[in-house]
Amino acid sequence: EEQVLESGGGFVQPGGSLRLSCAASGFPFSNFAMSWVRQAPGKGLEWVSGIGGSGTTTWYADSVKGRFTISRDNSKNTLFLQLSSLRAEDTAVYFCARMSGLVRASYYMKVWGKGTTVIVSS
Amino acid sequence: QSVLTQPPSVSGAPGQRVTISCTGSSSNIEAGHDVHWYQQLPGATPKVLIHGNNNRPSGVPDRFSGSKSGAAASLAITGLQAEDEADYYCQSYDSRLSGWVFGGGTKLTVL
Repeated sequence: EEQVLESGGGFVQPGGSLRLSCAASGFPFSNFAMSWVRQAPGKGLEWVSGIGGSGTTTWYADSVKGRFTISRDNSKNTLFLQLSSLRAEDTAVYFCARMSGLVRASYYMKVWGKGTTVIVSS
Repeated sequence: QSVLTQPPSVSGAPGQRVTISCTGSSSNIEAGHDVHWYQQLPGATPKVLIHGNNNRPSGVPDRFSGSKSGAAASLAITGLQAEDEADYYCQSYDSRLSGWVFGGGTKLTVL
């Protein structure tokens, strides 16, 4: 069964940092692009960042560009998201998702994890 | 303010048909990029309902269907059931932003 499982969420002060991890199983990890999607309390879904299968290509939403860094370790089937310079508005559940599709413009989030919660507050 | 616009809420009685619209622009839906739909039941993780405009993953009932025309897409649900009560999101790719975008979400209430 294809699965992804996030970890690393927690409580952090504004300006602080956190590293999220996503362990993948049940599919050839390096073959697929991956993304992080977040959902603030009571709000909708927001795509945050994506990375190609080899890890050499990355994409970021404008809201996190320069503050978050996505990476992956294909030898360990693990996706990461380094969160820095955190703000209150970054408070959300962060979902890891395996993407699917023929080309980048047709990608969708096929496999979702249960999410990990990040709370930014003083 | 989401790049893709959805109505905040829709409602219908059991057995009825409802549609949820998703309006984009020249850099996403109108550019020809695929539209996908997700269902998020209360307290649950989002699940793919429709991908590639009108394709249902195995296990999704054929009561759910998607369509796309011009700068807009729609999700139709026929034979509405109580278990369909959830939040629904559309998603596409935006060439100008070089990233993926979601609609603001639509809460479906089954009366």
